[in-house]
Amino acid sequence: DADVTQTPRNRITKTGKRIMLECSQTKGHDRMYWYRQDPGLGLRLIYYSFDVKDINKGEISDGYSVSRQAQAKFSLSLESAIPNQTALYFCATSDLRLPNEQFFGPGTRLTVL
Amino acid sequence: SQQGEEDPQALSIQEGENATMNCSYKTSINNLQWYRQNSGRGLVHLILIRSNEREKHSGRLRVTLDTSKKSSSLLITASRAADTASYFCATALQGAQKLVFGQGTRLTINP
Repeated sequence: DADVTQTPRNRITKTGKRIMLECSQTKGHDRMYWYRQDPGLGLRLIYYSFDVKDINKGEISDGYSVSRQAQAKFSLSLESAIPNQTALYFCATSDLRLPNEQFFGPGTRLTVL
Repeated sequence: SQQGEEDPQALSIQEGENATMNCSYKTSINNLQWYRQNSGRGLVHLILIRSNEREKHSGRLRVTLDTSKKSSSLLITASRAADTASYFCATALQGAQKLVFGQGTRLTINP
């Protein structure tokens, strides 16, 4: 969905490096989410935010941090990347009025060597 | 732990046949949703069924929900090659503001 964009689309980095993944949306949604997907598995929630000043941990937040700089932007950081953080990362948004229907970005494929 | 468990993990059928995928979950839900993911891409929302609904249709899609058995099924009728994708169920838990995804069913439609 072009309304939710993620940068970069692909990234290869080395163990110990700090990396930031960015998500922007033009849907005007209040709620934003970061998920990771490992091969053959479903999505697992890392962090979510219901507003600019609201940050909540998901089921696998260890090793990650987030920043909600504005309603339209939600960035995910890996402070010190490790190989088992190699995965496909998705950002998603939802509308306050229809909170459970989520709209996904195209994903960022991250490889940590 | 996964709230949703999907069955089968992989399904391969001929074009024109119907495809059925199942999802079971563990705790009470507000609604259940199905998403499609084409290879390496983001998920696309297909259909949402609320906990007080038993069946819902959208085009060639039919979703059923049995809250007594904590299960849902997604039926795709008259399948097409373009239906080849992974399909995920996601549950919105009562009192929670987020979705929990199953591990998905990988559907292959053979021409």
